[in-house]
Amino acid sequence: DSGVTQTPKHLITATGQRVTLRCSPRSGDLSVYWYQQSLDQGLQFLIHYYNGEERAKGNILERFSAQQFPDLHSELNLSSLELGDSALYFCASSAYWTDASSGNTIYFGEGSWLTVV
Amino acid sequence: AQSVAQPEDQVNVAEGNPLTVKCTYSVSGNPYLFWYVQYPNRGLQFLLKYITGDNLVKGSYGFEAEFNKSQTSFHLKKPSALVSDSALYFCAVRDGGSYIPTFGRGTSLIVHP
Repeated sequence: DSGVTQTPKHLITATGQRVTLRCSPRSGDLSVYWYQQSLDQGLQFLIHYYNGEERAKGNILERFSAQQFPDLHSELNLSSLELGDSALYFCASSAYWTDASSGNTIYFGEGSWLTVV
Repeated sequence: AQSVAQPEDQVNVAEGNPLTVKCTYSVSGNPYLFWYVQYPNRGLQFLLKYITGDNLVKGSYGFEAEFNKSQTSFHLKKPSALVSDSALYFCAVRDGGSYIPTFGRGTSLIVHP
């Protein structure tokens, strides 16, 4: 158990709908990362937050947004869903985003399976 | 820019034999290298990392990895494979100028009884 908690584990929704995925980082971790894993794209970095502030954006669609709250949990909002958005969405966390001594090792949650029908 | 390649989509090995999962990388500065394992329907689990120092890094579940700067490689190894090692393995790299690691596409390891 990595200590990163994600809910829901599974979600089935229709095209055009909106969903919210939730993540609680490891105790004490200030950084939260979101990744998307699909068969054709592999593991893609979406976005990173540190202590409530957005720090980096990757291949995140405009229909997707995220935020990190004062209690450090994070939510990934996916809207106007399309069939191609079906994937496994991971949240990961690390202590400090510039922690060179640890290499900024990130720890993953179990993921949220999203199926768009 | 940073990138990582896992040249094999799948590696097959018999139980009890040594295993190697290959990874090569490209970074502009000093590399930070990681291996993760993903079991079916699970998240990625951290196995080991190289930051600096000894080129041979030991990690969880008996795995180790060898950093080779001249060949820009960080291959994952285990002396004796177990059927339970069957999983998807990801190599990741970041350089000193980026704190977001780049992941390879993964290598499926299948250990046959």
